[in-house]
Amino acid sequence: DAGITQSPRHKVTETGTPVTLRCHQTENHRYMYWYRQDPGHGLRLIHYSYGVKDTDKGEVSDGYSVSRSKTEDFLLTLESATSSQTSVYFCAISIGARGYTFGSGTRLTVV
Amino acid sequence: GQQVMQIPQYQHVQEGEDFTTYCNSSTTLSNIQWYKQRPGGHPVFLIQLVKSGEVKKQKRLTFQFGEAKKNSSLHITATQTTDVGTYFCAGLSIDAGKSTFGDGTTLTVKP
Repeated sequence: DAGITQSPRHKVTETGTPVTLRCHQTENHRYMYWYRQDPGHGLRLIHYSYGVKDTDKGEVSDGYSVSRSKTEDFLLTLESATSSQTSVYFCAISIGARGYTFGSGTRLTVV
Repeated sequence: GQQVMQIPQYQHVQEGEDFTTYCNSSTTLSNIQWYKQRPGGHPVFLIQLVKSGEVKKQKRLTFQFGEAKKNSSLHITATQTTDVGTYFCAGLSIDAGKSTFGDGTTLTVKP
């Protein structure tokens, strides 16, 4: 889908360690998003970006930071992972009237 | 902030029965989008509605946008086992620059 890839696909990490998830797109879209998905909570926006070095917070941004140094890459960092950050993380790009295109997701487990 | 409520949370149907999920926003929307997520997969864009009272059809799926642009519905006629998954709405508020997702309706279909 629209050349968007996430890495890693799965990760298990220990509480207190930093973790970085990567989202890569090949189509030069301006807007990129990070969501987390938990049972019963749908998709909640963590951070989004509207251009290189232009980012903003979403509804659940505490404990997360992002960076976008190139149009094609949007990184999500958990500064000090906690068990409450165990989740499935989706990256997405916005294609206007064609909606969001999501990556395949990263399943993160914090033990 | 904007809230998007989706009901029901779960729906179990016999194959061939109809299915409807409803989406209600606390604010007036510029547009509403619908997504389908198969078990273990990522959300996939289905459609976008923009106009008040708009109705769109995709084969057995009928999407409606309310006259007040605060609610929407997705109706599936004669469900099939391939319809299994979680259906999400995402509403773009007139005042906000990004969409808010509902929590989704998970559909199971018994053959």
